Amino acid sequence: KQEVTQIPAALSVPEGENLVLNCSFTDSAIYNLQWFRQDPGKGLTSLLLIQSSQREQTSGRLNASLDKSSGRSTLYIAASQPGDSATYLCAVGLYNQGGKLIFGQGTELSVKP
Amino acid sequence: SAVISQKPSRDICQRGTSLTIQCQVDSQVTMMFWYRQQPGQSLTLIATANQGSEATYESGFVIDKFPISRPNLTFSTLTVSNMSPEDSSIYLCSVRVGQYYEQYFGPGTRLTVT
Repeated sequence: KQEVTQIPAALSVPEGENLVLNCSFTDSAIYNLQWFRQDPGKGLTSLLLIQSSQREQTSGRLNASLDKSSGRSTLYIAASQPGDSATYLCAVGLYNQGGKLIFGQGTELSVKP
Repeated sequence: SAVISQKPSRDICQRGTSLTIQCQVDSQVTMMFWYRQQPGQSLTLIATANQGSEATYESGFVIDKFPISRPNLTFSTLTVSNMSPEDSSIYLCSVRVGQYYEQYFGPGTRLTVT
């Protein structure tokens, strides 16, 4: 059974700092991995999708990496801003199950001005 | 990408009643999903809804409690039946788009059962 873990559960950093969020999964037979952002009381916004054959994806100040063999992904946020404050969720798409997603518990990020 | 709307955005309901949540997508999609997010928790998949077939439910979720309709390729409904306070959650629909199975989510429906 696939399990997804995110560390840390919460993180507070000063504005401008570079930071890394971690995601680990127990079964390397994945179809893809997706990072989402969730603002309080809101839905999810897709940030980055990494296919199982890829090592990383970049969008603006965000860079996500994937190491299937070790069951890990990281989300790197450069030059953090107060507007980056949100909960970040990692989700693994299961292989041969239509991309069904298994979510981690999320990392709550607070960027202080 | 896909733009998804949900109705209602929030509701407060009494124990024992039912609520139907609507999900509308701006393009035709094959697969739609319904998730539940309990307070302080992450998302859990309730069921997968394909147009023209019965929804497929995850372990712990049953059709009598969460009936789903999928009448066409842009619309789906989820009903939460015979509600109890334990059903208080955010309910989100999502769609799978493209060959790489990227998922997009609606804004969610915040349900409180009293």
